[in-house]
Amino acid sequence: DSGVTQTPKHLITATGQRVTLRCSPRSGDLSVYWYQQSLDQGLQFLIQYYNGEERAKGNILERFSAQQFPDLHSELNLSSLELGDSALYFCASSVEGLAGVDEQFFGPGTRLTVL
Amino acid sequence: AQTVTQSQPEMSVQEAETVTLSCTYDTSESDYYLFWYKQPPSRQMILVIRQEAYKQQNATENRFSVNFQKAAKSFSLKISDSQLGDAAMYFCAYLYNQGGKLIFGQGTELSVKP
Repeated sequence: DSGVTQTPKHLITATGQRVTLRCSPRSGDLSVYWYQQSLDQGLQFLIQYYNGEERAKGNILERFSAQQFPDLHSELNLSSLELGDSALYFCASSVEGLAGVDEQFFGPGTRLTVL
Repeated sequence: AQTVTQSQPEMSVQEAETVTLSCTYDTSESDYYLFWYKQPPSRQMILVIRQEAYKQQNATENRFSVNFQKAAKSFSLKISDSQLGDAAMYFCAYLYNQGGKLIFGQGTELSVKP
């Protein structure tokens, strides 16, 4: 158990819908990362938040957005869902993630299926 | 842009034998970190081993060791005395010193035969 929790574990929805994935980082970790794992694209970095502020952005679609709240939990919002958005979404957390090696601890992931 | 390449989609090893998984990367930076992650059927991402680019000595963690060739931009993982529990997808990943973004390779599916 990495200490990072993600809910829900599984999510099945229809095209055009909107969903919210939730992540609680390890106690004391200030950085949260979101990654997408799909058969087509592999494991891709989406976005990083540090202490409530967006820190780095990857190949995140405009239909996707994220935020980190004052209690440091984070949510990833996916809207106008398409079949291709079906994937495993990981959240990871680290102490800082600003510079230097800072191990990222991964949550168990949320499996999103878009029908 | 940094890239990570794993050229072996699948590998197989006999239990108790040794196997080496390959990884190459491309970067113009000199200060970075490299990792091997294991993803078993449960899909949990587990850190296996990490290497700081400024260190010449290859990292070792029990049965896992790396061969880090900075000039060649190569970072292979050696698993000794392979066990059935080692069967998993293995990902090589790159982390630039000034950012938290991990860049992953495509993965190598390792099977272990009893």
